[in-house]
Amino acid sequence: AQKVTQAQTEISVVEKEDVTLDCVYETRDTTYYLFWYKQPPSGELVFLIRRNSFDEQNEISGRYSWNFQKSTSSFNFTITASQVVDSAVYFCALSERDAGGTSYGKLTFGQGTILTVHP
Amino acid sequence: NAGVTQTPKFRILKIGQSMTLQCTQDMNHNYMYWYRQDPGMGLKLIYYSVGAGITDKGEVPNGYNVSRSTTEDFPLRLELAAPSQTSVYFCASSYSGPVNEKLFFGSGTQLSVL
Repeated sequence: AQKVTQAQTEISVVEKEDVTLDCVYETRDTTYYLFWYKQPPSGELVFLIRRNSFDEQNEISGRYSWNFQKSTSSFNFTITASQVVDSAVYFCALSERDAGGTSYGKLTFGQGTILTVHP
Repeated sequence: NAGVTQTPKFRILKIGQSMTLQCTQDMNHNYMYWYRQDPGMGLKLIYYSVGAGITDKGEVPNGYNVSRSTTEDFPLRLELAAPSQTSVYFCASSYSGPVNEKLFFGSGTQLSVL
């Protein structure tokens, strides 16, 4: 069974600090997809990034960056110069195939990391 | 565009009562999902649908039922509510599945069973 572990339950930082959210996954698939979603206080989950298992290039989007390392089964997320608006719950997720090898895109979510950025 | 709309936002049920959580999307998405979010546990898939008339169980389907008679609507039915069903429920959708594109989530329904 696929599994996603976000070992950090809660992280608290002061504005402008950099912060890294860890994500470790387990899968027997050779082709899979990893995701990060953000859940702000309003409750609605918002997509941040999707990465496939064949693309290990790191990605940067503004203050956000992602480090995908297949060798350690990790897909970590870094926020540079954090801001109060970054306060949210962040979920890492992994795609899942069914027994026939067809993926209906069922996602396995990690437990989430609560990030609080203090002014 | 309204996106994914869930109703109600909050509900309190007594043990043994039944209710339907409504979910509708106006983006012509084929794929729709129901997740539940328990504190500290992440989201778990209850049921999903890849198109009208097609539904399948997810990780935690017991105690729930779904139907998908139209592309737009994907209601989740709770029969004989139990305290273990106290959770926040999220409906989500995408056109071709979240492997190919992002999921759009509703704002959630907070359900308490007492």
